[in-house]
Amino acid sequence: GAVVSQHPSRVICKSGTSVKIECRSLDFQATTMFWYRQFPKKSLMLMATSNEGSKATYEQGVEKDKFLINHASLTLSTLTVTSAHPEDSSFYICSARGDGVKETQYFGPGTRLLVL
Amino acid sequence: AQKVTQAQTEISVVEKEDVTLDCVYETRDTTYYLFWYKQPPSGELVFLIRRNSFDEQNEISGRYSWNFQKSTSSFNFTITASQVVDSAVYFCALDTGTASKLTFGTGTRLQVTL
Repeated sequence: GAVVSQHPSRVICKSGTSVKIECRSLDFQATTMFWYRQFPKKSLMLMATSNEGSKATYEQGVEKDKFLINHASLTLSTLTVTSAHPEDSSFYICSARGDGVKETQYFGPGTRLLVL
Repeated sequence: AQKVTQAQTEISVVEKEDVTLDCVYETRDTTYYLFWYKQPPSGELVFLIRRNSFDEQNEISGRYSWNFQKSTSSFNFTITASQVVDSAVYFCALDTGTASKLTFGTGTRLQVTL
């Protein structure tokens, strides 16, 4: 149990285009989903927290107009990188958690984004 | 504020050696949860264990064991008889009722060689 999928696993795009990443909880209802960014050989940096049906809460320094998050159902959240630039190239990982902080966050396999 | 410190950046051991990964945390909350995750080269974070602040019992799962000591704010992870497949980055993380989100340590890269 507790499987989280992420799609696509890898994407290469041209500068200026938008990229959408999907995160799905396959066998449980995710009240809360999280989006992280990870630079090479670094720890995970939380970008935003989203609760189903609500607006996402962004961490300080993360541009909400740049990184659009939608959590329309209890099993799906999407992250859209708008007008991507080379500096947006990174490893993006989502996680999903059931009801309450006592629940564990389960992570997706990540998406490697390369913006040319 | 919450903080997790993993002082060991990289550890290299030979297969079958035991290895301990250190984790020290800081929080003012009395209720909190500690986690260990494994990140192999593929990138996915694999959940290993969760421990709440009221349960100081040590846990053993196969070759893995965890030592939780509130007195020293530590939650150390030991791999017994390490194997090459254990090579990965290991993250310790903290979640509190106040923050309701994970605070990660910087990770420890474990390299197990033959």
